[in-house]
Amino acid sequence: QEQLQESGPGLVKPSETLSLTCTVSGYSITSNYYCGWIRQPPGKGLEWIGSIYHSGSTYYNPSLKSRVTISIDTSKNQFSLKLSSVTAADTAVYYCATGRGYWFDPWGQGILVTVSS
Amino acid sequence: DIQMTQSPSSVSASVGDRVTITCRASQDISIWLAWYQQKPGKAPNLLIFAASSLQIAVPSRFSGSGSGTDFTLTISSLQPEDFATYYCQQANSFPLTFGGGTKVEIK
Repeated sequence: QEQLQESGPGLVKPSETLSLTCTVSGYSITSNYYCGWIRQPPGKGLEWIGSIYHSGSTYYNPSLKSRVTISIDTSKNQFSLKLSSVTAADTAVYYCATGRGYWFDPWGQGILVTVSS
Repeated sequence: DIQMTQSPSSVSASVGDRVTITCRASQDISIWLAWYQQKPGKAPNLLIFAASSLQIAVPSRFSGSGSGTDFTLTISSLQPEDFATYYCQQANSFPLTFGGGTKVEIK
């Protein structure tokens, strides 16, 4: 069964770095999959953060590019997100997802990350 | 960046109704559009990809159409489990962008 699971701290202090990992099970992310991070502030819509291909090529949302790093560890079938210098505006549910094209299926269940001191 | 505009932002409908949601791209994206359904507290679920291809296990009452800049998602006969928020996403080029969402509510 294809599954993704986000993990990481649910609370991050302002100005610090948010770090999340997505663990994929049931298939290999090296099988021509794009791996992506998407977030959703409480009560709001979806925002694409960035994607990484199994080769390591990365693509970022220009609005976040200066603060985002996405990496991949094919040996562990995981990919990760780092978002630096966070503020309250970065409070959101963060989803990881994969796809063979530029659409996403399946998705992880999501993890709520709150930025607060 | 390609802007995605969904309409309406919300719609009230009854079980059995036909519901149509539209999505407009700010530039030509060919057929590279996806539709998702999201229920409260859950991750989005892919319904349609490449504008009109139904994802595996998605009921046939869902259909998608369009190309270029104008797209539609149609639910032919609304069922109780279809009350949710629907999002379009352009899958043509990075940066990927989503529409603002359409909430389908019970009338």
